Amino acid sequence: DAGITQSPRHKVTETGTPVTLRCHQTENHRYMYWYRQDPGHGLRLIHYSYGVKDTDKGEVSDGYSVSRSKTEDFLLTLESATSSQTSVYFCAISQGILYNYGYTFGSGTRLTVV
Amino acid sequence: AQSVTQLGSHVSVSEGALVLLRCNYSSSVPPYLFWYVQYPNQGLQLLLKYTSAATLVKGINGFEAEFKKSETSFHLTKPSAHMSDAAEYFCAVSSQETSGSRLTFGEGTQLTVNP
Repeated sequence: DAGITQSPRHKVTETGTPVTLRCHQTENHRYMYWYRQDPGHGLRLIHYSYGVKDTDKGEVSDGYSVSRSKTEDFLLTLESATSSQTSVYFCAISQGILYNYGYTFGSGTRLTVV
Repeated sequence: AQSVTQLGSHVSVSEGALVLLRCNYSSSVPPYLFWYVQYPNQGLQLLLKYTSAATLVKGINGFEAEFKKSETSFHLTKPSAHMSDAAEYFCAVSSQETSGSRLTFGEGTQLTVNP
């Protein structure tokens, strides 16, 4: 979707190094989410944000941190990457209450930790 | 907590045949339910959503889903499969938290369409 971009699209990193993934939106949506997608697990929520500087943990938040210093950007940081964090990461945005709007997804970041 | 279960991680149909992808939900409150589709190497796109306005929901690309409270189901159907329908499909349920709402996804169903 043109209103949400993720960078980088692909990244290979070494175990133990820090990694930051960026999600940028041009829609001025309040809510932003980070999910990871793994075979057999569907999409699992890592962290989400309900406003600038307002974030909360999802179901698989261990080893991840997030920051949102402005409406348009939501950063996901792996403090010390591990092989279990090899995954496809998706950012999503939402205008408000989900039953009216649902999510809009980015194209994903494929992260490989070696 | 709300959750969804998708029955069958892989479904294979012939072109022109009925598509039926199954989703059952668990929710302590009236749920809001969604179906998303993911084509290879892409993000997820919204197919349709149930928000209690009508139990039969029509979505894009000829798909529809029926909410059945008595069966706690929200199965996705399409009368006639097309080759372009081959993709992975995800059912999701929304939950309302004090800090906002979020979606919980099922494990996904990979649809293969055979010529």
